[in-house]
Parts: sequence; structure tokens; C-alpha cells
Amino acid sequence: DIQMTQSPSSLSASIGDRVTITCRASQGISNYLAWFQQKPGKAPKSLIYTASSLQTGVPSKFSGSGSGTDFTLTINSLQPEDFATYYCQQYTSYPLTFGGGTKVEIK
Amino acid sequence: EVQLVESGGGLVQPGGSLRLSCAASGFIFSDHYMDWVRQAPGKGLEWVGRIRKKANSYTTEYAASVKGRFTISRDDSKNSLYLQMNSLKTEDTAMYYCTRLSSAGGGYSDYWGQGTLVTVSS
Repeated sequence: DIQMTQSPSSLSASIGDRVTITCRASQGISNYLAWFQQKPGKAPKSLIYTASSLQTGVPSKFSGSGSGTDFTLTINSLQPEDFATYYCQQYTSYPLTFGGGTKVEIK
Repeated sequence: EVQLVESGGGLVQPGGSLRLSCAASGFIFSDHYMDWVRQAPGKGLEWVGRIRKKANSYTTEYAASVKGRFTISRDDSKNSLYLQMNSLKTEDTAMYYCTRLSSAGGGYSDYWGQGTLVTVSS
């Protein structure tokens, strides 16, 4: 199975900050990497697919990059609605696997 | 508008069975692969399994943790996805989400239902 490791597991940031979350795959996954946002008590929401493509309707403050084993999710100008938990997922091989999540909290 | 609505969750004893349903609307259900993903209370996301579309013979894939106990099926005439769960264990306690696989981008979960909670306990 491909292991997905996210870092950090949590972070504190202020309104207006730029935040970067890292996701590392235990083996190469090309660009078959998605990012999801989950708010408390809600279902996950798709943000990014194929590592850097923005899901329809997602604001351009979210961006993704990377290929192979190392990927990043960047959130520019953090706003109150961005405080949530973020997950990466590889979808190149079975079983599909998720990272452990990164909780973004208000400083 | 794409909508996925899960139902069928509840409290079940260890060793018991439960069948979850997911009603889809707002898109051509038969054109899409579908996944189930679960989340234990306070934990991260875990992929459960997938069912492909008719053109791919409705074939399925499962996580090792549920293989042989869970069965995914679909009824395209009813725009519905199902998850039959047998021999349930306490560690199957989780919120279960159905997700639609995008036709683009290599097949990722572009839409998620709101989830249905399964509690396995005596």
C-alpha cells in the first residue's frame, strides 16, 4: 500500500497568513493526488485534483503543486472559513489512501 | 446540482449486518464510478471500496479491512449505490460517505454525500 504522510499534523495561523501543507507519498504516484477540506461535522469537500487542478467553484487562493512523491497545498490570505482539516489522497493505485490530515487552527 | 444522500446507518451489534444506500441526483449516475469512504469518530478518512460502471462490468475493489465482509452494488435504474456490510466489527463504527468519481482528472472523488453513521456496539 502507498503511505501518505502529511505535515504538519496541525498548525496555528492568523487571518491573512499564507499556509503551506506538505504531503509525501511512500512511492511515486505521478500527479494522481487530490486535496480535500473538511469542516467539523461536515463531509469533505474536493479542492484540488491531479495535484494542481482546481475543482470547479474553489477559490484561486487555494493552489497545489508537486509530482512523484512530494506535494504541497498552499492557502493564500487565510480567512475564517478556511479553518478546517485538510487531507491529501493518492488515487493511482488500490487501495486508495489518505494522509492523516492537517488541522488548521486560528492563532 | 449534484446530490448524494446516504441512508441506512444505525446501531448494530457485533456480527450483525447493515445495508447502506446512497441516492444520487443531478447527474447521469450510470456514467460514473462510485466510492465509499468512511471516517471513524475523531479519526481520518479511510477508503472502503469502489464500483465501476456498466461498461466496466460493474467490477469492484475493496480495502483489505472490509474485503470478504462488505459488498458494493449499484442499481442504475434507481440512481442508487449500496454498501452491504456483514460480520460487522466494533472497528467498523464510522461515518460512511458515498462519493462520485470524476470522469476527468484520472478519477478522484469530486462530490461527497453528507454521510450516514454506523455504530457497532453491544
